[in-house]
Amino acid sequence: DTEVTQTPKHLVMGMTNKKSLKCEQHMGHRAMYWYKQKAKKPPELMFVYSYEKLSINESVPSRFSPECPNSSLLNLHLHALQPEDSALYLCASSHLPSTAGYNSPLHFGNGTRLTVT
Amino acid sequence: GQQLNQSPQSMFIQEGEDVSMNCTSSSIFNTWLWYKQDPGEGPVLLIALYKAGELTSNGRLTAQFGITRKDSFLNISASIPSDVGIYFCAGQDQTGANNLFFGTGTRLTVIP
Repeated sequence: DTEVTQTPKHLVMGMTNKKSLKCEQHMGHRAMYWYKQKAKKPPELMFVYSYEKLSINESVPSRFSPECPNSSLLNLHLHALQPEDSALYLCASSHLPSTAGYNSPLHFGNGTRLTVT
Repeated sequence: GQQLNQSPQSMFIQEGEDVSMNCTSSSIFNTWLWYKQDPGEGPVLLIALYKAGELTSNGRLTAQFGITRKDSFLNISASIPSDVGIYFCAGQDQTGANNLFFGTGTRLTVIP
């Protein structure tokens, strides 16, 4: 079982809908991530939060709006999506890199399978 | 972004056979990671490598961090049906962030 929990598992939404994806972790990680994964492709980074502040936005369209209310929660708000946004959306968390420069592996949730109709 | 080339793209093997896959990069990485992803699930961390030349095992899995810091391989010994899935290598660089650069994936099929 993954220690990163994502809800819902599946989501179907129309292009005019507003919905939110939720992610929760209780591992004490202070970095959280959103990735998008299309079929038969590797995950692609969308956003990174460090200490609840947005640190990386990989030029993601504004119809995706991330939010980090506290150190355990990460949301992705969706509005006016396009059919090509249909994908598996993965949340991940990790410790921050150490001051000595050592990286920390990411732990992924099982994702939300999003279909935009 | 960083380009990671992973090979082979797919493998069909008999149960009990050993498997080897590798990943090469045009850039140096601080850390190499190997993940396995089953259908409908997120990637699961298999092995993390932190030092050039490091060889690490996890059960039937063995992975190495290349001396040049631009490559890594993963071996699976005595494959079993539950080894089926997509294996991704991933690298983390020195930018101070932990974000991963993923390889293109190796799809493994094990024939009982």
